[in-house]
Amino acid sequence: DAGVIQSPRHEVTEMGQEVTLRCKLISGHNSLFWYRQTMMRGLELLIYFNNNVPIDDSGMPEDRFSAKMPNASFSTLKIQPSEPRDSAVYFCASTYFGRVEDTQYFGPGTRLTVL
Amino acid sequence: KQEVTQIPAALSVPEGENLVLNCSFTDSAIYNLQWFRQDPGKGLTSLLLIQSSQREQTSGRLNASLDKSSGRSTLYIAASQPGDSATYLCAVADADKLIFGTGTRLQVFP
Repeated sequence: DAGVIQSPRHEVTEMGQEVTLRCKLISGHNSLFWYRQTMMRGLELLIYFNNNVPIDDSGMPEDRFSAKMPNASFSTLKIQPSEPRDSAVYFCASTYFGRVEDTQYFGPGTRLTVL
Repeated sequence: KQEVTQIPAALSVPEGENLVLNCSFTDSAIYNLQWFRQDPGKGLTSLLLIQSSQREQTSGRLNASLDKSSGRSTLYIAASQPGDSATYLCAVADADKLIFGTGTRLQVFP
């Protein structure tokens, strides 16, 4: 298996532009997590899905952020409009929902820079 | 609200030393505790997972312990090597998500 796949790996954009980050889950996994990592705040959970259903989006900073799972293997995280304070590394991770003995498998991350 | 703390924040040791990284959590009602490694510019890689009913797990030179009653876990690294240099994060699991600590940045120098 190729593992969790994220694209793009790096994104540089200007303030006010729309940004879309993409994530492909490991085949067979049914739980998907989006995280944001910064030096100041560490690793923060933004939102997670079980079986394509958003379970908890309390970590989403504000309405400018939205996430979707159009199918069981793919997710997008959209920021519109982007702001400089959104600059961070965004990770997605997948696992089997309901199996507490399983860990989460992380993608390589997308480094976002908003100028 | 569960809070996870790791100390020290950074550690620099010579090669060959045995070392201990610490993790504490405020709510003992956890499903499991996990230790991850993160290399610069990379994602997180799972090292060890301890179920709430277990006391420790071992993998090679790594040993992780869990004391739920005191809200503590330790990661012991034996005979450290420069290749162990990375950030180590612990995370506690509730029903279906992980709460991460802020990490310990480890540097092992030759």
